[in-house]
Amino acid sequence: GAVVSQHPSRVICKSGTSVKIECRSLDFQATTMFWYRQFPKQSLMLMATSNEGSKATYEQGVEKDKFLINHASLTLSTLTVTSAHPEDSSFYICSARDRLRGSTDTQYFGPGTRLTVL
Amino acid sequence: GQNIDQPTEMTATEGAIVQINCTYQTSGFNGLFWYQQHAGEAPTFLSYNVLDGLEEKGRFSSFLSRSKGYSYLLLKELQMKDSASYLCAVINREADSWGKLQFGAGTQVVVTP
Repeated sequence: GAVVSQHPSRVICKSGTSVKIECRSLDFQATTMFWYRQFPKQSLMLMATSNEGSKATYEQGVEKDKFLINHASLTLSTLTVTSAHPEDSSFYICSARDRLRGSTDTQYFGPGTRLTVL
Repeated sequence: GQNIDQPTEMTATEGAIVQINCTYQTSGFNGLFWYQQHAGEAPTFLSYNVLDGLEEKGRFSSFLSRSKGYSYLLLKELQMKDSASYLCAVINREADSWGKLQFGAGTQVVVTP
């Protein structure tokens, strides 16, 4: 149980294009989802917190106009990287919190999306 | 803010025991998580401690001392597949009601034959 999927798993795009990444909770409802970015050999850095039906809360230094987050349902959140540049190349990981399972704070992670911007 | 410190890398042989320490400084504390992450993959949940003491789950155990701001993850009977990065993460509900996790940099465990 508590499975989170992400799509696509890997994407290569040209500089200046936009890329959408989907995060789905498959067997539970996730009122809150989190988006992280991870550069090689570094830890996860939280980008934003996404709550169903409301605007996302972004961490300091993360541009909300560049990283658009939509959490339209209890099982789906999307992250759109707009006008991507090579420095946006990274591993993007989402997580979801299932308030009905065990600790209310346990986050379950998706498999991640490897973005490469040429 | 929160400071979370853990060693960068540890090496141990197959069948041995390894203990990964994590120290944290935070203005508020509501729990500590350990996650395992293999290269190129997302983290997987290992354990959650909110009260002092030892939580045992198979070959993995996690300990917490809130007064000392200290936790450790104990990996017993090491297997080659345990080679991975182990992330310590703290949750602080005083600073944030959403329950955001603050991650340490991770400890790379290398298991040798």
